[in-house]
Amino acid sequence: AQTVTQSQPEMSVQEAETVTLSCTYDTSESDYYLFWYKQPPSRQMILVIRQEAYKQQNATENRFSVNFQKAAKSFSLKISDSQLGDAAMYFCAYRSATGQGAQKLVFGQGTRLTINP
Amino acid sequence: NAGVTQTPKFQVLKTGQSMTLQCAQDMNHNSMYWYRQDPGMGLRLIYYSASEGTTDKGEVPNGYNVSRLNKREFSLRLESAAPSQTSVYFCASSEPYATGRTGELFFGEGSRLTVL
Repeated sequence: AQTVTQSQPEMSVQEAETVTLSCTYDTSESDYYLFWYKQPPSRQMILVIRQEAYKQQNATENRFSVNFQKAAKSFSLKISDSQLGDAAMYFCAYRSATGQGAQKLVFGQGTRLTINP
Repeated sequence: NAGVTQTPKFQVLKTGQSMTLQCAQDMNHNSMYWYRQDPGMGLRLIYYSASEGTTDKGEVPNGYNVSRLNKREFSLRLESAAPSQTSVYFCASSEPYATGRTGELFFGEGSRLTVL
């Protein structure tokens, strides 16, 4: 079974600085999808960014970008120019591309990000 | 644009009581899910329904039952609540994976359940 590990329970960053959240995963598959979700205090789960494993190019969404290292099974999230509204719990998630695993997402434990003004 | 709606938002139960969490989605998605969120453990899959008429166990199904009532609705039932089931529950839906679709999940707002 696939597992997702977020080794940083908490991170903090100064407003306007850059922060990187780590995520590693364990799989024997070659085709899969990776996601970062944000959960602000409102509790709503919001998709931040997604990455297809077959794409070598790292995904980018405005101030959010990923560093996808397939061989190392690493999928880190970089937030540039941090804003107070970025304060949230961030979850990394994995989804198989085929088979029964394609039916569900496996989540990491989460990293709580604090933005210091 | 409602998306995924789950009720109730909050509930307090006594040990041994039963209750049903309701979930409905209006995005015409085939797949629906129930996750629970506990501190330090992320989101863990309880049950999912890949399509109308099918349900499958996830990682932590014990103590729960589900019903896929129709394509829109997927309910989660606690027959005899236990303190270990105190958690935040999320319903989600998605299109199944297909070429060109990553199949990300769309979540409801969560339901906080406390079992005393």
